[in-house]
Order: sequence, then structure tokens, then C-alpha cells
Amino acid sequence: EVPLVESGGGLVQPGGSLRLSCAASGFTFGDYEMNWVRQAPGKGLEWISYISSSGRTVYYADSVKGRFTISRDNADNSLSLQMNSLRAEDTAVYYCARERVSTGQDFDYWGLGTLVTVSS
Amino acid sequence: DIQMTQSPSSLSASVGDRVTITCRASQSISTYLNWYQQKPGKAPKLLTYSASTLQSGVPSRFSGGGSGTDFTLTIRGLQPEDFAIYYCHQSSSFPRTFGQGTKVEIK
Repeated sequence: EVPLVESGGGLVQPGGSLRLSCAASGFTFGDYEMNWVRQAPGKGLEWISYISSSGRTVYYADSVKGRFTISRDNADNSLSLQMNSLRAEDTAVYYCARERVSTGQDFDYWGLGTLVTVSS
Repeated sequence: DIQMTQSPSSLSASVGDRVTITCRASQSISTYLNWYQQKPGKAPKLLTYSASTLQSGVPSRFSGGGSGTDFTLTIRGLQPEDFAIYYCHQSSSFPRTFGQGTKVEIK
């Protein structure tokens, strides 16, 4: 069973908005930090955002800062990524990933990914 | 930002070979280094963390090493299912960064 499942991807026009969700199951979601990582077609992995277990601390890659907002609802076991002012270069598969603080902040579980395509 | 540089970018090897991939950080990251394997159309899979600790369920032919700025991932006795792309990842500081990937292909 995959403990992380992303949704919300799709085709959007440049300048548009999209909200991605990541549903967690099978573990105590509120105990873990979470991240979003994306992968453009045929390219490598790019970390884009982090949120602490409480939701009080967030970080972003420069490439999305000011346009994307990460959030979480520990009561609902869900992670979100609000993406605004989308650009063609935001086209990618977006993965949510669980971070283990106790072992050095590795990403031990990843979702299956959701594809975002920004095109007119 | 900490830059992660992997080498080689790709390599060809045969089943049974020993393969070593290196990853260099642009500044010291202690042992905050993780390795992932990714197969086509799949999510990355954690292989090793904290530079040298094997993730549960990962075959013992995989091993990681290094500290500071220089790290390695070694596969001893390459198996058909090991042909994939491998990424290093630093978790020492933000922004988190990944190496560009090393594609291991069948010779």
C-alpha cells in the first residue's frame, strides 16, 4: 500500500493556478516533515518546498518562491501545494515526499506523482 | 546553495559488475547525504541515508560511503533490476539539492 497519493494535476494555461494535494495514510502524518519535489520531463529531481510537522516552518526553492504556497492539515492527513502564476517551466511530475528527521532528513516515502502541464 | 555534482552522468556495465558512482558537494555536508534509485515512470526509492546506512529492504549489494564533501554509492554484483538512474541528495541545509543523476545502462 502506498502511503502517499498525490492528486490535482492537469493542464493549465500560463499564468493560471492549480492546487495539488497529497493524501497520507498508514502513519501518524503529524509526526513528519513533508516536502514537494518535482521532475520536468526527461530531467532530474528538483526539490521545491518543505513544511515542518507543525506547519509553522516552510521553505521554498527560489524557482517557486512567491508563487507557490505549501500547507498541511494534520487533522485531515493531507498536504497541499497552491501553485499560482504558472509558467511553462513548471511543467513536471510533482511528488510529495515524507522526511524522516531522526535519520538525517532523508525522504523515505514518495507518492506516485501527479503531472502538471502548463501550456496554452 | 549547496551544489551536488555526480559522476559519471552515465555508465554502461554488465550483470555481475561492480559499479561506483560518486557525488561531490560544493561544501561540507557532514553525512547528510542520501541516495535514491529511480526507474522509468516510477517514484524515486531511498537506498541509503546518512551517507552509509542501508534503508530497510534494500539489498546488501548496495553500499554508501563518504563524509564531508565526497561520497560514493557502490553496487557489488550488478543485477538486471539495478539498471536505473541514481540520484544523490543533500539534507544538510535548505534549499535541499539533488545531483543531476547517473544513468546505469546495460552494456
